Amino acid sequence: QSALTQPRSVSGSPGQSVTISCTGTSSDVGGYNYVSWYQQHPGKAPKLMIYDVSKRPSGVPDRFSGSKSGNTASLTISGLQAEDEADYYCCSYAGSYTFEVFGTGTKVTVL
Amino acid sequence: QVQLVQSGAEVKKPGSSVKVSCKASGGTFSSYAISWVRQAPGQGLEWMGRIIPILGIANYAQKFQGRVTITADKSTSTAYMELSSLRSEDTAVYYCARVVPAAMAYDYWGQGTLVTVSS
Repeated sequence: QSALTQPRSVSGSPGQSVTISCTGTSSDVGGYNYVSWYQQHPGKAPKLMIYDVSKRPSGVPDRFSGSKSGNTASLTISGLQAEDEADYYCCSYAGSYTFEVFGTGTKVTVL
Repeated sequence: QVQLVQSGAEVKKPGSSVKVSCKASGGTFSSYAISWVRQAPGQGLEWMGRIIPILGIANYAQKFQGRVTITADKSTSTAYMELSSLRSEDTAVYYCARVVPAAMAYDYWGQGTLVTVSS
């Protein structure tokens, strides 16, 4: 099972919006509404930001939103803030044989 | 407040095995699946497998089949991940994570355990 494809990096100025794509196949992203997104700061454990494509856990700012179209999921960060600078990973359920597959990761830089 | 506390860093020789523990507190351990995810230095996240403690059923990523064993002790609310036939490429931080009920996502993570494989 190959990793989901994400851009290596995206950047934006404070207050701007950035969108991270996560491209898979009909066997993972396109086949299930079980896409999640994680934020990871250096040396820290990942933090859940979005699950079930577009749901936000309690405590996650509404600046973070998720969506999906076909085999591609997206995470949008609106009103970019300095603390949003981190690595972001998507993850998708891929059926009861493969189970889970993560994305390649995207580094978000706040200019 | 749910907490997952993992065992400490390990240094292992190639060909040996390592067993990492993940002790849960603040929640109903048996009811949630626990997954193991690893991250090699400077690399991305990689799913290894999961266990549902109440059922004792584990599932593994194809890549690790035959080399990884995930178990759980309900009496101590602790999950374990054992990886055998270690090689240098297994050097990574290993995380345990709790699965969000009725979703395929991870809401609580352990602090990570660095396993270094070196001769």
